[in-house]
Amino acid sequence: AQSVTQPDIHITVSEGASLELRCNYSYGATPYLFWYVQSPGQGLQLLLKYFSGDTLVQGIKGFEAEFKRSQSSFNLRKPSVHWSDAAEYFCAVGANRDDKIIFGKGTRLHILP
Amino acid sequence: DGGITQSPKYLFRKEGQNVTLSCEQNLNHDAMYWYRQDPGQGLRLIYYSQIVNDFQKGDIAEGYSVSREKKESFPLTVTSAQKNPTAFYLCASSVDAGNNYGYTFGSGTRLTVV
Repeated sequence: AQSVTQPDIHITVSEGASLELRCNYSYGATPYLFWYVQSPGQGLQLLLKYFSGDTLVQGIKGFEAEFKRSQSSFNLRKPSVHWSDAAEYFCAVGANRDDKIIFGKGTRLHILP
Repeated sequence: DGGITQSPKYLFRKEGQNVTLSCEQNLNHDAMYWYRQDPGQGLRLIYYSQIVNDFQKGDIAEGYSVSREKKESFPLTVTSAQKNPTAFYLCASSVDAGNNYGYTFGSGTRLTVV
């Protein structure tokens, strides 16, 4: 069965610094991969997704993620964070067409002024 | 604009009472989902429906019930059998049962048992 792991529960970075959130997945074939963001008390918003093709995926709000098959990873990056990026971030993996998407437990991002 | 509407945003329930959370979508999506979110536990799937008049249990279905009589609507009932119902509940939908497009989420309902 597929699974997804986000090793970091909390990450703190300074405003203007670069960001990388880690995500590792377990699945035999090429999965569908997603990153979502959740502000406090809100639903989840899709940042970006990967199905196939170019392994570097661009998303909304200046985020990007890179699929690395050899490392079973799909890390989320942003060159320079803004205070408004403080939120919880969820990595998710989908497998077969009729299977459900599995979500990681999330990484909460804190921004220092 | 198309989207998912969850209501109410906040809900208070006395112990022993059933309560129903509303989820409506105007995206013409076939599949709909209910998740429960607790601090530090991520999202846990309660029920999902891939087509009208059909639904399946997720990982934590005990104490919950759903119906899917219309494509747009997927209400969740939290019954008195649910021992710890206080949580944040999220409804989601997708174009179909596949994973091509990901899920669209509502803004959630926070249920508190008093």
